This record gives sequence, C-alpha cells and structure tokens, in this order.
Amino acid sequence: AQSVAQPEDQVNVAEGNPLTVKCTYSVSGNPYLFWYVQYPNRGLQFLLKYITGDNLVKGSYGFEAEFNKSQTSFHLKKPSALVSDSALYFCAVSAEGQGFSFIFGKGTRLLVKP
Amino acid sequence: EAQVTQNPRYLITVTGKKLTVTCSQNMNHEYMSWYRQDPGLGLRQIYYSMNVEVTDKGDVPEGYKVSRKEKRNFPLILESPSPNQTSLYFCASSFTPSTDTQYFGPGTRLTVL
Repeated sequence: AQSVAQPEDQVNVAEGNPLTVKCTYSVSGNPYLFWYVQYPNRGLQFLLKYITGDNLVKGSYGFEAEFNKSQTSFHLKKPSALVSDSALYFCAVSAEGQGFSFIFGKGTRLLVKP
Repeated sequence: EAQVTQNPRYLITVTGKKLTVTCSQNMNHEYMSWYRQDPGLGLRQIYYSMNVEVTDKGDVPEGYKVSRKEKRNFPLILESPSPNQTSLYFCASSFTPSTDTQYFGPGTRLTVL
C-alpha cells in the first residue's frame, strides 16, 4: 500500500535562514510526488512535482525539492525563508500502475519568525 | 477565471439529515476528487472520478456517495450524516490522474450535531 510520512508536525525557522520540510514515501512502482501549500482558511495550492527526469525540481515562490530514490524521500527546501512562507505544507504521492488514488501526508506547519 | 467552486462553504446539520455538497470546475478536467481534512490526519481521499459515470473509492469512502453525470460537476452526498463526518471537505480536479497538478476548491466546513 502507498504511504507518505511527514515526520515533523511543525518546523520553526528564522527569516532569512534556509528551510527544509521532510517527506518520505512508500509505493510500489514509480512514484509521482507533489508538494502543496495551504494558507489559513484557503484551499491547497500546488508548489511543485516530480514525475520523471531531473531529481532536483524547482517550483513556485523559490521552493525546490530533491527526489532521492534510494532514501525514498522528497524533501522541500528553500534557501532563504520569508515570514510569508508560514503555512501548512503537504506532501502527496501517487504511483504508476497503482490506480488513480492520491495519498497525502499529515502535513507540516512551517513557522517563519522575523 | 479557471476555478473549482464548492457550495456551501459552511454547513451545520443534524445527524441523519441527508445533504449534498456541490463541486464544479470550469477547466474541462477529466479527473475529480473529494478529500476530507482532519487535524493530525492530513487529507484523506474519499472518492475520485476518472470521467463521466466512472467513479472509484479512495481511502475513506464509508458513509459517502458521489456521482458524475456531467464532466464539470462532482457532488458529494451524505445520505445519513453522523458526527464523525464533521470535517473540512475539499474538491479537486485535474486533466489527468496521477501525474497532473490538482486544483483545489476553497473547502466546505461541515459540522454534524
């Protein structure tokens, strides 16, 4: 069965410092990996995805993520955090040949302090 | 404007009273999906639809029904709501499943007393 783990409920970082939000996954077959962000009282917005190709994926708002097949990870990163990045971040996975369902992680709350 | 709309945005109801949450998208997307969001549990997929008249169960389908009679609409039906269905519900759509970006609606906050 497919699964996604976001091991940290909350990540705290100072403005201007680099940030990392962790995600690991378990699927049979090739994974398709996504990051979404949710601001308060809003729906989810797409940040970036890995389908195939280059392991380093660049997305919206200066975020990037690296697909690591051997560690089954897809951590979200940003070189310099902004206060406005404070939000709830979700990792999600679907998989080739595993039907058409999506599995989301439990979410990680990012708090960027001035 | 490309968007996914949901109605109502907020709903308070009582146990056993049938309700429908509507979802509509104007992007001609094939794939549509319903999720519920609960604290500490993240988003869990309820049902999804590959196209008109094609639906399938997600992770937590019990107590829910869906239909896809038109490509743009994907209503979520709770025939006999119970308090454990109190949650925040999101509809989403995309051109294709698996590899395509999903566009999410604004959410429907449901309280079942």
